[in-house]
Amino acid sequence: KAGVTQTPRYLIKTRGQQVTLSCSPISGHRSVSWYQQTPGQGLQFLFEYFSETQRNKGNFPGRFSGRQFSNSRSEMNVSTLELGDSALYLCASSPGTHASTDTQYFGPGTRLTVL
Amino acid sequence: AQTVTQSQPEMSVQEAETVTLSCTYDTSESNYYLFWYKQPPSRQMILVIRQEAYKQQNATENRFSVNFQKAAKSFSLKISDSQLGDTAMYFCAFILGSYNNDMRFGAGTRLTVKP
Repeated sequence: KAGVTQTPRYLIKTRGQQVTLSCSPISGHRSVSWYQQTPGQGLQFLFEYFSETQRNKGNFPGRFSGRQFSNSRSEMNVSTLELGDSALYLCASSPGTHASTDTQYFGPGTRLTVL
Repeated sequence: AQTVTQSQPEMSVQEAETVTLSCTYDTSESNYYLFWYKQPPSRQMILVIRQEAYKQQNATENRFSVNFQKAAKSFSLKISDSQLGDTAMYFCAFILGSYNNDMRFGAGTRLTVKP
């Protein structure tokens, strides 16, 4: 099976712009979670989508949003970019049926730089 | 709130030797799962090992094993016969046993295996 893929791998934006990142989960996986990784804050959970619905949400401002399509592919959007949004954004997929048996598989990440 | 603490920012070990990475966590819940993830310089997070809190037996995956002390809320990772390919950031992670995919990560330990 193909792994989790994320596009683009690298992105450079300026403050105030918006950005959309994409994640394609492993075939058959219905849950997609997004994480932000920075040197200062480490890995932080953004949100999780399951069957096109946001199931869980982390403690991030409303500028961060996401969605999931019927084929389980997911996008996350960050509006009005700030310098502090520079980070590696990781996507993880899992079957989504039950956390007791699920394992999250991570993609390679999208490196976002905000100038 | 659930927190995960890794007190060793960096560690090094000689090839073929054994190294133990420490992790402690804090939760008031009884049903949860613990993980060790590896993030090599290529940045793709890889699951190393998982442990269900209700299981007393320590998980083992080839050269990787854990020492799970539930009362002490400790979850250390032992790597035996260290190999150069084990050089990576290692993250300890925690998730509640529910449909909540909000995984909490420690700050990570950078492990260098020296030839």
